[in-house]
Amino acid sequence: EAQVTQNPRYLITVTGKKLTVTCSQNMNHEYMSWYRQDPGLGLRQIYYSMNVEVTDKGDVPEGYKVSRKEKRNFPLILESPSPNQTSLYFCASSPTSRRDTQYFGPGTRLTVL
Amino acid sequence: AQSVAQPEDQVNVAEGNPLTVKCTYSVSGNPYLFWYVQYPNRGLQFLLKYITGDNLVKGSYGFEAEFNKSQTSFHLKKPSALVSDSALYFCAVRDGSSNTGKLIFGQGTTLQVKP
Repeated sequence: EAQVTQNPRYLITVTGKKLTVTCSQNMNHEYMSWYRQDPGLGLRQIYYSMNVEVTDKGDVPEGYKVSRKEKRNFPLILESPSPNQTSLYFCASSPTSRRDTQYFGPGTRLTVL
Repeated sequence: AQSVAQPEDQVNVAEGNPLTVKCTYSVSGNPYLFWYVQYPNRGLQFLLKYITGDNLVKGSYGFEAEFNKSQTSFHLKKPSALVSDSALYFCAVRDGSSNTGKLIFGQGTTLQVKP
């Protein structure tokens, strides 16, 4: 089944403890992206990747890192999480960055205490 | 600046009645427009998109949307609502002149369909 998977689905952590949220797609898509969803704000882009080893900042990149060493994987790294990073995170992928539909993973609900 | 507005936080309709969820947008280049639906504790599911061509776009689950360039709108419609359509709906736009792939989302509209 063609899909975008994320792990973990739920995570509660404490301020300053490094964490990684994994994202993987099995559709051979070139383009991948991370968004965060907050009430009343919709989804906002954190980082995106046009292809392997090509990443760039979105609208809200502060406090996050990403890497794209393989085409299928695009992990989101929080080096020192803070409470304002408590949010619902979505990974998405599409064949390219232009006209294609982006397909979303199931989401990761992160709580930083 | 690129933006999407969904002017209604919530839309209430009775089952069997037509529904409309409104969306207006602002981009500098040609707009690529999308509607997604989010059910509780689920990810976003793609409903339909407008890239070019016919202004009336048909999508999944009987939904359709009309692209209106002069009004910069892309309202989501369905002729007969079902209780199972109750969910959170997001309108999103991508600037066709940009190659970042970024989707700009509206804040979402909760659709409540009552029996």
